[in-house]
Amino acid sequence: AQSVSQHNHHVILSEAASLELGCNYSYGGTVNLFWYVQYPGQHLQLLLKYFSGDPLVKGIKGFEAEFIKSKFSFNLRKPSVQWSDTAEYFCAVNTNAGKSTFGDGTTLTVKP
Amino acid sequence: GAGVSQSPRYKVAKRGQDVALRCDPISGHVSLFWYQQALGQGPEFLTYFQNEAQLDKSGLPSDRFFAERPEGSVSTLKIQRTQQEDSAVYLCASSWGTSGATGQYFGPGTRLTVT
Repeated sequence: AQSVSQHNHHVILSEAASLELGCNYSYGGTVNLFWYVQYPGQHLQLLLKYFSGDPLVKGIKGFEAEFIKSKFSFNLRKPSVQWSDTAEYFCAVNTNAGKSTFGDGTTLTVKP
Repeated sequence: GAGVSQSPRYKVAKRGQDVALRCDPISGHVSLFWYQQALGQGPEFLTYFQNEAQLDKSGLPSDRFFAERPEGSVSTLKIQRTQQEDSAVYLCASSWGTSGATGQYFGPGTRLTVT
């Protein structure tokens, strides 16, 4: 069975700091990888995804993630965070079988 | 256009009552998913439909949970004889594709509290 691990439960940064959120998954086959974000009071929404091709993918609002197959990782990065990036971030893996498996999320607080 | 909608947004049920949660996916989306999210955790998969066919129900925690999507659009998740451990947010998501590579659009969820 696939599983997803997000190592950071709560991250606190000041504005303009760089961000990296870790995500590791366990599954030996082909995977599709996602980062979702939930802003306070809003729905979960897709931030970015990887399913093939260039392992460095870019998403909305300046976020990017790199798929490193040898490390089973898909870390999320942003060079300079803003107060409006305060949200909960979820990593998810899908194996073309319909269902997605989510990590437990990382709460990001950006101090102005 | 309209996103995924769910109703009710909040539901309080007494232990032993039956509840029905509704999901209206984005029009034209083939795939529909139900997830259960406990406080402080990520969404946990419950079941998946492709059109009206329920292709995977491996995540349903017990036979008290039942889902349907009879016409391939609106879906209902029913929980019979609710228990306190059923208290959670129930999320519905839909996607236009069937491969799993397209990402999912989530609704606001229904927060179920069983007293």
